[in-house]
Amino acid sequence: EPEVTQTPSHQVTQMGQEVILRCVPISNHLYFYWYRQILGQKVEFLVSFYNNEISEKSEIFDDQFSVERPDGSNFTLKIRSTKLEDSAMYFCASRIDTNEQYFGPGTRLTVT
Amino acid sequence: AQKITQTQPGMFVQEKEAVTLDCTYDTSDQSYGLFWYKQPSSGEMIFLIYQGSYDEQNATEGRYSLNFQKARKSANLVISASQLGDSAMYFCAMREAGSNYKLTFGKGTLLTVNP
Repeated sequence: EPEVTQTPSHQVTQMGQEVILRCVPISNHLYFYWYRQILGQKVEFLVSFYNNEISEKSEIFDDQFSVERPDGSNFTLKIRSTKLEDSAMYFCASRIDTNEQYFGPGTRLTVT
Repeated sequence: AQKITQTQPGMFVQEKEAVTLDCTYDTSDQSYGLFWYKQPSSGEMIFLIYQGSYDEQNATEGRYSLNFQKARKSANLVISASQLGDSAMYFCAMREAGSNYKLTFGKGTLLTVNP
C-alpha cells in the first residue's frame, strides 16, 4: 500500500542552524501539507501546498519557514535559523482530491 | 474558542469491550468533514475514519464507527471489541469549507486497553 515517507526520522541541530526536513508524498497525490506537534500537545497546521505554490499558511509559518517541491517526488520544509521552540514532531501529509489526508511517520526535530 | 474539543484526556477500557471517545466541534460552515486519527507511542498518525457533514449515514470502518450527531455538533468515535493494540492517543480533527482542506485537531484522548 502506498505511503508517505519522511526523512530523517530524528534530527538534532543546534540553535541558529538551518534544517531541511524531507517528505515523499504518495505518488499520485496533488495536495501537500506540513503539520507540527510539540511534545504532549495537539497537532498544528503549518502550510498547505498545491500546484507548486503555497495555498495557505498558519501564523506559525513565518519567514523562517519555507517549502519546496524541487522535483516530482520530494516535498521539503526548511527552517532557516532554528530556535529552541522549533523542537517538535513534524508531519508531512498528502491527499489526492478526496478528503482523507495521509500522514507520514514524522520527523522528530530537537534543537539544542 | 476551541474548534475541536476532546474532553477526555484519558480513558480506560477492558479488552474486548467497546469504548466511546468524545469529540465536539464548532463551525458555522455547512460543508465540513470530521476525522479521527490514531497515534501510537511510536508517533505516526494513522487515519481511521471520516465523516462528511452531508453524509446521512454514520461512517464505519471495521471496528471503528463514528457516532455523528449534527445538531449537537458531536462526532464521537466508537471502538468495538477493544484490543491491546488499540492503546494509543486518539485525535479528532475537522476540515472546514474553503480551508484548503487543512485539518484542525483536538488535544487528543489517551486510550489504555487493559487485559
